[in-house]
Amino acid sequence: GAGVSQSPSNKVTEKGKDVELRCDPISGHTALYWYRQSLGQGLEFLIYFQGNSAPDKSGLPSDRFSAERTGGSVSTLTIQRTQQEDSAVYLCASSKTTSGRYLTSYEQYFGPGTRLTVT
Amino acid sequence: AQSVTQLGSHVSVSEGALVLLRCNYSSSVPPYLFWYVQYPNQGLQLLLKYTSAATLVKGINGFEAEFKKSETSFHLTKPSAHMSDAAEYFCAVSERNFGNEKLTFGTGTRLTIIP
Repeated sequence: GAGVSQSPSNKVTEKGKDVELRCDPISGHTALYWYRQSLGQGLEFLIYFQGNSAPDKSGLPSDRFSAERTGGSVSTLTIQRTQQEDSAVYLCASSKTTSGRYLTSYEQYFGPGTRLTVT
Repeated sequence: AQSVTQLGSHVSVSEGALVLLRCNYSSSVPPYLFWYVQYPNQGLQLLLKYTSAATLVKGINGFEAEFKKSETSFHLTKPSAHMSDAAEYFCAVSERNFGNEKLTFGTGTRLTIIP
């Protein structure tokens, strides 16, 4: 079946512009994660969605970063007033979740990423 | 807080030789541990995972890892390296917080296979 898809695959933008990165998770996966991969910081967590809610935004590096998820599916990560230090590969991952006594998520499937370059 | 340390940012082995990539973790709760592989310009692919069942975990492409609580280690091995194993490998530990399984990654090990 289809995996996680992300668009665009590459984005070059000028410093100060806003950008939107899109993630289409695997159908039926209720958990969605954004990560960032950069030379200086390695792979780091940004935000976690369960359905349309984001109970963990602890990794967002500044208030210029925001994300939303609609219909329990597509997610958009928005970076306002981009800076050169925002240049990185932004990865999205999704996983299924089961609810019993405790909510449990399973392995994460990653998309190919969006390479953002801020000039 | 959880953390992962990968010893060796670059490892080179000859084709057919043993592959050993080291990972040590720190976690305040029993950890879930993962190894991911990343090929150039691609996303991360799960190789294997430890979720408190068997301590020796077998994954895809002939890789395996052993969870050793006493050593807080989760080293990745493969008996015989193949050219197609050249990639970057990441060890990760999971948050495990009521459905939030956010991953904390190590800094990665780039594996080079010498023909």
